[in-house]
Amino acid sequence: GNSVTQMEGPVTLSEEAFLTINCTYTATGYPSLFWYVQYPGEGLQLLLKATKADDKGSNKGFEATYRKETTSFHLEKGSVQVSDSAVYFCALSYNDMRFGAGTRLTVKP
Amino acid sequence: DAEITQSPRHKITETGRQVTLACHQTWNHNNMFWYRQDLGHGLRLIHYSYGVQDTNKGEVSDGYSVSRSNTEDLPLTLESAASSQTSVYFCASSDGTGIGTGELFFGEGSRLTVL
Repeated sequence: GNSVTQMEGPVTLSEEAFLTINCTYTATGYPSLFWYVQYPGEGLQLLLKATKADDKGSNKGFEATYRKETTSFHLEKGSVQVSDSAVYFCALSYNDMRFGAGTRLTVKP
Repeated sequence: DAEITQSPRHKITETGRQVTLACHQTWNHNNMFWYRQDLGHGLRLIHYSYGVQDTNKGEVSDGYSVSRSNTEDLPLTLESAASSQTSVYFCASSDGTGIGTGELFFGEGSRLTVL
């Protein structure tokens, strides 16, 4: 079945550091790929998405490129801020939406 | 503004009791989903619906049921609550059509504790 695997956390970075959170997927067909973010005490909200191979999703300085050849959708940000501290989920959408286990990011001043 | 609301936000119950978690959305979305969130497992799909009278099992559907009698609501019922069902439950909706579900809009979650 369809599934998503993302790097385990937690990840702790200093402000202005470079961020990469790895995500790989297994799917039949051609899924859409998403990154969602969850701030403390809240539900998930969409961060960015890509619907076909080689698409790049971007939002709030975060980027991820849909790589069909490596079945990956890694999340990157060039300079993280304290306000980016949250849990990040990679997700795959085909007939339903499947999520990875989540990666907790803490950014220290 | 359109929204998705869950109730109750917090619930404590005893093993063996029936529990229903409500989910109501005003987006007029066809698709609705229930997930549970547990440490180390992320979000796991329990049940989902693509429209009125349609329901489907997800990854972890045992012990749970849903019904969809109108577009706005998808209540989740635990027939006989077990301690393993202690979790945070999230409802979500989307207006995706065809293959793929589009962006999901989430409620704020319902924390259930089964003693």
